[in-house]
Amino acid sequence: GAGVSQTPSNKVTEKGKYVELRCDPISGHTALYWYRQSLGQGPEFLIYFQGTGAADDSGLPNDRFFAVRPEGSVSTLKIQRTERGDSAVYLCASSPGVGPLYGYTFGSGTRLTVV
Amino acid sequence: AQSVAQPEDQVNVAEGNPLTVKCTYSVSGNPYLFWYVQYPNRGLQFLLKYITGDNLVKGSYGFEAEFNKSQTSFHLKKPSALVSDSALYFCAVRDGKDIFGKGTRLHILP
Repeated sequence: GAGVSQTPSNKVTEKGKYVELRCDPISGHTALYWYRQSLGQGPEFLIYFQGTGAADDSGLPNDRFFAVRPEGSVSTLKIQRTERGDSAVYLCASSPGVGPLYGYTFGSGTRLTVV
Repeated sequence: AQSVAQPEDQVNVAEGNPLTVKCTYSVSGNPYLFWYVQYPNRGLQFLLKYITGDNLVKGSYGFEAEFNKSQTSFHLKKPSALVSDSALYFCAVRDGKDIFGKGTRLHILP
């Protein structure tokens, strides 16, 4: 597509529930990144993929968070047993490759609210 | 660990005046530095980057940034501010992935 698409744009869930957030990157972009942004803060890195594999998952806060990219295109961020502290805007970005040559193209984000 | 710092939470500039948004960095090795902008209700947008070469890099919307190795700074600049430049600006350092500062809110006053 023309840009990075994230669905849903908003998600309200109850504490303890499971959620999935989807990211559809720009066609042909091999690198895909997930960030989390809380109000008044900069984006916080979670995980990034090069192709199908997770190149760096050091930002995932705990084992309730997991992400996949099975075919090297669409990615899903999965959060189990959600907690109120998980409430944030989850951002996805993609780039043609890794390395310093490329800036990222971000999606509009998914606003997750855990009640 | 690689990091960037944005010392100002908010910067106010009158329309038509020059603007500067400050960023300092801490890296081991060569710094790869980026600026992004976040307009209200829109996603983050890439503005410009420094990899190597000229210390003054030019980017989108008339913005430029000056890399200063001795001061470990990468300040964002524009010669004449527009009201439409009002947004949230983030500096970032690339360490495999981009590591962002906390952001600076820029207000351009008509």
